[in-house]
Amino acid sequence: DTGVSQDPRHKITKRGQNVTFRCDPISEHNRLYWYRQTLGQGPEFLTYFQNEAQLEKSRLLSDRFSAERPKGSFSTLEIQRTEQGDSAMYLCASSPPGELFFGEGSRLTVL
Amino acid sequence: TQLLEQSPQFLSIQEGENLTVYCNSSSVFSSLQWYRQEPGEGPVLLVTVVTGGEVKKLKRLTFQFGDARKDSSLHITAAQPGDTGLYLCAGADFNQGGKLIFGQGTELSVKP
Repeated sequence: DTGVSQDPRHKITKRGQNVTFRCDPISEHNRLYWYRQTLGQGPEFLTYFQNEAQLEKSRLLSDRFSAERPKGSFSTLEIQRTEQGDSAMYLCASSPPGELFFGEGSRLTVL
Repeated sequence: TQLLEQSPQFLSIQEGENLTVYCNSSSVFSSLQWYRQEPGEGPVLLVTVVTGGEVKKLKRLTFQFGDARKDSSLHITAAQPGDTGLYLCAGADFNQGGKLIFGQGTELSVKP
């Protein structure tokens, strides 16, 4: 296992469409995090899982956002009815306690 | 709400110069990490500091955690163009599931 992988790396969509991102974490890591990063800013926490349990969701995560990790391995982040303000880099990270290992991110552009 | 403030936000220097980036908070963190991020890529972990007053060195990079575990600094000696990138500090609170709170980053440009 070479690291955290995210798919797709880039997604361009029209406003109102749904998009889904996938994250495959490092296999022995039981924690998985989603962050969002806009240009010139640091990553902002969205949500995290310990195994299959979603333990915390940020207030940034509106009802249009949903994340799952059904078998405690890979995770998906779905955004429904996308808005232009959703344009950002969506980063996934997996972790033993205290250190995060990030994927390369999925860049979303909403036209 | 825990916040981390980094300064400066932008830094443009010549090759060979030294620089220091600061990361400050009013909150105490269980640990603090520094990441480097290149355009279009995810952040890459450079170092984790855990103990107040701890100093770690990574070649030309020196990282320090404040005695009260509320602040940290990153010092680069004799900067090189390959050091160019976004430097992020991030604090972890193990009482909050270990999630990281990031600063807004310092964009460093080292010109040859």
